[in-house]
Amino acid sequence: DGGITQSPKYLFRKEGQNVTLSCEQNLNHDAMYWYRQDPGQGLRLIYYSQIVNDFQKGDIAEGYSVSREKKESFPLTVTSAQKNPTAFYLCASRGTGYTGELFFGEGSRLTVL
Amino acid sequence: DQQVKQNSPSLSVQEGRISILNCDYTNSMFDYFLWYKKYPAEGPTFLISISSIKDKNEDGRFTVFLNKSAKHLSLHIVPSQPGDSAVYFCAASWGSQGNLIFGKGTKLSVKP
Repeated sequence: DGGITQSPKYLFRKEGQNVTLSCEQNLNHDAMYWYRQDPGQGLRLIYYSQIVNDFQKGDIAEGYSVSREKKESFPLTVTSAQKNPTAFYLCASRGTGYTGELFFGEGSRLTVL
Repeated sequence: DQQVKQNSPSLSVQEGRISILNCDYTNSMFDYFLWYKKYPAEGPTFLISISSIKDKNEDGRFTVFLNKSAKHLSLHIVPSQPGDSAVYFCAASWGSQGNLIFGKGTKLSVKP
């Protein structure tokens, strides 16, 4: 089945550690996105990539990094510079065409201890 | 500065009745609008969209209305079912390929 796979679903981290969240899609979509959800805050864009080997900062990129070496993969690293990393992280992708909806993964819950 | 606003954090409706979720936007450049549904600890799923050339789009029990002059859109669910209980996010973009800007969501509870 086509879709977006995020892993791990739950992750615990000590302060000062970097962690990498995986996002893989087999939808053949060019564009991929990372969002963060906090209670009462909606979804905020961290980074996005419209094409392989290219990515742009979203609204809250500080303390995060990404790479896009393959079309199907868009990993997100939460660095120790991110001051409040505990959140629910969502990866999404989008194909080209008139209907511009994003397809989301199941999400990864990161908790900093 | 919120460009997409969902002013009602929560809404409670009786099963079988109509649910109306509202969304306001401030950026007049937005021309594509979407609604997503989200259950706890899951990713959002796409419900319905509308472009600014239309004022209504219908898909089964779900209808989205767009009032461009008021910069307002609404999602109607008729009839509401307990399985509709979830958080609903309104989103907008400039063009169908533009980055989506999300509202903060409205939690809908449909009571049996």
